[in-house]
Amino acid sequence: DAGVTQSPTHLIKTRGQQVTLRCSPKSGHDTVSWYQQALGQGPQFIFQYYEEEERQRGNFPDRFSGHQFPNYSSELNVNALLLGDSALYLCASTLRGLHYGYTFGSGTRLTVV
Amino acid sequence: GDSVTQMEGPVTLSEEAFLTINCTYTATGYPSLFWYVQYPGEGLQLLLKATKADDKGSNKGFEATYRKETTSFHLEKGSVQVSDSAVYFCALSDRDTGNQFYFGTGTSLTVIP
Repeated sequence: DAGVTQSPTHLIKTRGQQVTLRCSPKSGHDTVSWYQQALGQGPQFIFQYYEEEERQRGNFPDRFSGHQFPNYSSELNVNALLLGDSALYLCASTLRGLHYGYTFGSGTRLTVV
Repeated sequence: GDSVTQMEGPVTLSEEAFLTINCTYTATGYPSLFWYVQYPGEGLQLLLKATKADDKGSNKGFEATYRKETTSFHLEKGSVQVSDSAVYFCALSDRDTGNQFYFGTGTSLTVIP
């Protein structure tokens, strides 16, 4: 049974560019959340998607946007990249938003130069 | 708002030593508490959880008890192994604030033979 799959695993972007990260949730899960983990820090909540809508959002600027598709997979888009956006981006999935059932992916390491 | 304060690391122990990692929390509602572990280059794995006061979560020899009176959820293990070397994150999730996770900053543990 596949867990949460994220792609790509690593990428390097230039300041000012745009990036799209992808996430396939664990089989049977319908809710996807995204987290940003800066080096040496704990993950910070970006937003959560359920039924193709953004249900909850953390303290991140509008440059961070997302989407959820009918098959429950999700994308995280970041526009106008800043050096400070360099981080590990984690996707987590669960069923109907149940917080004790979250499964995390291995993340996408984004480096902005 | 909700938050988690976690014992700073890094922590270095000899194999078979006793481990304690302190975690305290602040929450407005009735949160569930979690410990996650992150091995190098990987995402987060749920280690254990407790959903109400006085619950004890346990897994792989690790234990933590949800103490409402001291707002704490300290992680303990009686005898650590080299394979326990990882970063440990304390986290809370509260239905009253939408089920997002609030993570501590993480504690790096290195166990030496």
